[in-house]
Amino acid sequence: NAGVTQTPKFRILKIGQSMTLQCTQDMNHNYMYWYRQDPGMGLKLIYYSVGAGITDKGEVPNGYNVSRSTTEDFPLRLELAAPSQTSVYFCASSYGPGVSGANVLTFGAGSRLTVL
Amino acid sequence: AQSVAQPEDQVNVAEGNPLTVKCTYSVSGNPYLFWYVQYPNRGLQFLLKYITGDNLVKGSYGFEAEFNKSQTSFHLKKPSALVSDSALYFCASGFQKLVFGTGTRLLVSP
Repeated sequence: NAGVTQTPKFRILKIGQSMTLQCTQDMNHNYMYWYRQDPGMGLKLIYYSVGAGITDKGEVPNGYNVSRSTTEDFPLRLELAAPSQTSVYFCASSYGPGVSGANVLTFGAGSRLTVL
Repeated sequence: AQSVAQPEDQVNVAEGNPLTVKCTYSVSGNPYLFWYVQYPNRGLQFLLKYITGDNLVKGSYGFEAEFNKSQTSFHLKKPSALVSDSALYFCASGFQKLVFGTGTRLLVSP
C-alpha cells in the first residue's frame, strides 16, 4: 500500500518552461488536493478535486492547471514557469468529509521545484 | 470564511517537560479542527481532529488537544516532551478544503 506517490521529488526549471507534477493514490480516495508550501507561509491550496472529472480552484490557482481523468491520478501542470513558483508542492487525498466532517488528508512526500 | 492562526513561530521545551503549541481559529459554523506534524523532508502526517463532543481530544504519539469555544482556541499539548517530537506542527480547519496555519516549529532539547 503505497499511499500518495508524487514524482519527481526534485526538479529545476528555467523561466518559461512547462512541466507536470504527477500524483497518484492507491487508497480509492475521492478527494485529491494540491498544496504549495513556502517558508513562513504554511500551506496554500492550489486546486482540489472531489472526484474524477471534477476540479475546482483553491486559494492560489494562477499559473497552474489540473485534470482528474481517473480516481487515482491528479497531475498538476505548470505553464510558463516563473520564479514565484519556486516552492515545495504537496499532493494529498482523502475520502472526503462525509457525514461527520472528519476530512483527514493523507499527504505525499512532496516535490521540490526551483525555477531559475 | 475560515482561518487559523498559530501565533508562535517556534516553541522551545526541555525533554520531559509539558509542551503546548497554540492555535486559534475563526470559523463560521461548526469548527472542524485538525493538527498535523511534518518531519524534515516529509509530507504532513495527521495527529488528531476535533469535530464535536469532548473538548479534550486524544491523538497519535501521546498528543492531545483542547478545544475551547469561548477562546476560539485549539491548543496542542503533550504532558512530557520527547526529543523525537521536534518537528513542524500545523493547525488546520475545514470541511471539504482544509486551511492551514503558518506552522510552529517545536524544538525539544535533551
